Amino acid sequence: QVQLQESGPGLVRPSETLSLTCTVSGVSMTNLYWGWIRQSAGKGLEWIGRTHSDGTKNYNPSLQSRVTISVDTSKNQFSLTLTSVTAADTAVYYCARDQRGEADYWGQGIQVTVSS
Amino acid sequence: DVQMTQSPSTLSAFVGTRVTITCRASQSIGTWLAWYQQKPGTAPKLLLSKASHLESGVPSRFSGSGSGTEFTLTISSVHPDDFATYYCQQYVTSFPTFGQGTKVEVK
Repeated sequence: QVQLQESGPGLVRPSETLSLTCTVSGVSMTNLYWGWIRQSAGKGLEWIGRTHSDGTKNYNPSLQSRVTISVDTSKNQFSLTLTSVTAADTAVYYCARDQRGEADYWGQGIQVTVSS
Repeated sequence: DVQMTQSPSTLSAFVGTRVTITCRASQSIGTWLAWYQQKPGTAPKLLLSKASHLESGVPSRFSGSGSGTEFTLTISSVHPDDFATYYCQQYVTSFPTFGQGTKVEVK
């Protein structure tokens, strides 16, 4: 079955770079979009961005200047990089398979805290 | 950006009753709308796509309707397992956006 698993540091210092990886199993990554969504404590869901296996990318306009999402289909992984983080970036980060915009498979989520 | 507004924010219901959640878009999105269910400490689960298409394995007591700017999610008879937070999401644009969520709690 399709499974996604986030990995990366749970603590990032302010002004530094947040880097997360999502490992995909049970399905080929080709011809699909793969994305990141985050959720702050007690808040709703915020779409961060996505990448297609062909390299096409879409980003949340409010994060676009700080976000990069890349894919490595040979490793069955895709990644998220968010630069110049602040406390406002503290959240649970989810990776997900993006079918046509809707996310049909999700990772379990990883808590990332921005703090010195 | 397409803004998504859900109502109510919180809904209290008895087991066995019918529940309806509304989602409104700030502009027409056709039927490019999904509904998710989220329980505390877990990832959201996709329930419906294309406004009314029930995902595989989702109980038939869940249904969705609407097009354009107004949509509804209905649970025909609420089960104990249905108490959760529900989110709508538009995906007509290359920047999908979510509603703020509706928490369905036991009365």
